[in-house]
Amino acid sequence: NAGVTQTPKFRILKIGQSMTLQCTQDMNHNYMYWYRQDPGMGLKLIYYSVGAGITDKGEVPNGYNVSRSTTEDFPLRLELAAPSQTSVYFCASTTGGNYGYTFGSGTRLTVV
Amino acid sequence: ELKVEQNPLFLSMQEGKNYTIYCNYSTTSDRLYWYRQDPGKSLESLFVLLSNGAVKQEGRLMASLDTKARLSTLHITAAVHDLSATYFCAVDPLPPQGGSEKLVFGKGMKLTVNP
Repeated sequence: NAGVTQTPKFRILKIGQSMTLQCTQDMNHNYMYWYRQDPGMGLKLIYYSVGAGITDKGEVPNGYNVSRSTTEDFPLRLELAAPSQTSVYFCASTTGGNYGYTFGSGTRLTVV
Repeated sequence: ELKVEQNPLFLSMQEGKNYTIYCNYSTTSDRLYWYRQDPGKSLESLFVLLSNGAVKQEGRLMASLDTKARLSTLHITAAVHDLSATYFCAVDPLPPQGGSEKLVFGKGMKLTVNP
């Protein structure tokens, strides 16, 4: 099993550009999440999904959008990138119940 | 405001020594997770603690959960250099603050074990 796959691993964006961070899981997990990690700040929840067609905001959703058209895919869209969005982004999934998350390898994004 | 606080945030210790790190949280929860992150890498699951009094051990690490005190501890026994990493605790709050398996993470504790 590949687990949770994130692409790209690194990206540099200019202010005002847009991009989509891809996340795919092959474990048939219903629950998927996007977190951002800033130095010394832990992980903050951006958006999450409890199943195909269902998404909801997390703690820090401004400047981002998501969609969940299939169980496997949960892309994160950045519109009009800003320097404040420079961060490491992690996608995670879980089957729920008493299991923790499986994390992707992360995307390191720099906005200049 | 829901808070998950780890203490200390930085720890430098000698190989062979013991130490306990703490994770306090401000909400009602009966599930707590510990993760390890190596520099530039993703997060790896260490422990899943599912009830009051739960204790899990893996190698030189032992984690426990006291839901009444809203406290989890991670005890390091006879530290070795390979334990150097950042350790996160994460809480799954009960509704209405939580639900949908959303985890709230602490800031992480950076551990350096010196030879």
